Amino acid sequence: GAVVSQHPSRVICKSGTSVKIECRSLDFQATTMFWYRQFPKKSLMLMATSNEGSKATYEQGVEKDKFLINHASLTLSTLTVTSAHPEDSSFYICSARDIRPGRGYEQYFGPGTRLTVT
Amino acid sequence: AQTVTQSQPEMSVQEAETVTLSCTYDTSESDYYLFWYKQPPSRQMILVIRQEAYKQQNATENRFSVNFQKAAKSFSLKISDSQLGDAAMYFCAYRSGANFGNEKLTFGTGTRLTIIP
Repeated sequence: GAVVSQHPSRVICKSGTSVKIECRSLDFQATTMFWYRQFPKKSLMLMATSNEGSKATYEQGVEKDKFLINHASLTLSTLTVTSAHPEDSSFYICSARDIRPGRGYEQYFGPGTRLTVT
Repeated sequence: AQTVTQSQPEMSVQEAETVTLSCTYDTSESDYYLFWYKQPPSRQMILVIRQEAYKQQNATENRFSVNFQKAAKSFSLKISDSQLGDAAMYFCAYRSGANFGNEKLTFGTGTRLTIIP
């Protein structure tokens, strides 16, 4: 299989604090992971592409200093929302690209993390 | 840049009937992949079906099939024998065919499918 987990599934934090979201590929190695944000009843918006061992590539309009991405190993990428504000409240989804032979370079999605900033 | 358009924000179908969800895309590339993803209320994104642009044959997965019209840049999803579990948000997505490892998905705005018992 190709399973991607995210932790936590839900988090509530106070305005001004930082929160870290983990994305793990459980049964395959992922040199590339993607982070998305999804507003209610909206589509997925790509925030950044996370590459193992190198700096993440951020999409236009995404603040790299606010959304820190670290891809320290072939199975783990983290997204840290720094100095969170209520407008950062959203559903964050990660995906990991499976590059094993015969897997078609598919992206497999984590279950998402709902962030609420109070 | 590639764009993906889903013109039907909402669709409904009677249980056991057939429904078709529309998707059009714009690209200048000749090699690419198209996908349909399902997002049920749990919010977990699930791959429904995948089509390689170089393949003329339409992809099928059990009750799900696509009508891929490359010249028209159209990629519709047909769900046969609709079931209550098919109720979800459906997203059409595009990905470049190059395999350098970081090709991103471009999603449409989604179609919410309701199944009527």
